[in-house]
Amino acid sequence: GNSVTQMEGPVTLSEEAFLTINCTYTATGYPSLFWYVQYPGEGLQLLLKATKADDKGSNKGFEATYRKETTSFHLEKGSVQVSDSAVYFCALRYQAGTALIFGKGTTLSVSS
Amino acid sequence: EAGVAQSPRYKIIEKRQSVAFWCNPISGHATLYWYQQILGQGPKLLIQFQNNGVVDDSQLPKDRFSAERLKGVDSTLKIQPAKLEDSAVYLCASSGLKQGRDYGYTFGSGTRLTVV
Repeated sequence: GNSVTQMEGPVTLSEEAFLTINCTYTATGYPSLFWYVQYPGEGLQLLLKATKADDKGSNKGFEATYRKETTSFHLEKGSVQVSDSAVYFCALRYQAGTALIFGKGTTLSVSS
Repeated sequence: EAGVAQSPRYKIIEKRQSVAFWCNPISGHATLYWYQQILGQGPKLLIQFQNNGVVDDSQLPKDRFSAERLKGVDSTLKIQPAKLEDSAVYLCASSGLKQGRDYGYTFGSGTRLTVV
């Protein structure tokens, strides 16, 4: 079936460090891929997305590239800030009109 | 544009009691989803509606959970009777097309249920 696997957390970094959160997926066909973020006490917010192979999604300094050959969609940021501390979820939609399938989430904690 | 509204924000009940959650989606969004998010895990789909019809309820524990979306707008999710393992955040989301454009998914703030 369709599924998403994320690296286990928590991830603890110092401010300005480089961030990578790994995400791999299993899906039939050509899914769309998403990263969502959940800040403490808030709801899920779309961070970025990519709808086809080799697409790069980007937002707020975060980037992720849809790699079909490795079935991956790793999230990266060159220099994290304390305000990036949150839980990050990788998700896929295997076809239009279907629900999102989420990974387990990765908690990021950034200290100054 | 107003977001997805959910109520209540918090609910504490004893096991074997019943509880209901309400969701009002984005105006015009045809598709509505209920997710269960257990602490430390990602959201898991419980049920998906398209207008007032059920598209996917394969992961809904139908012996105790029920949901309806009358008139294709608001939706209610009910648990009866509740178990301790139902403690979670229940998220509602909606999605739809407007003038042919896919506006993606919008999530509500959720209802945090604690069963004691």
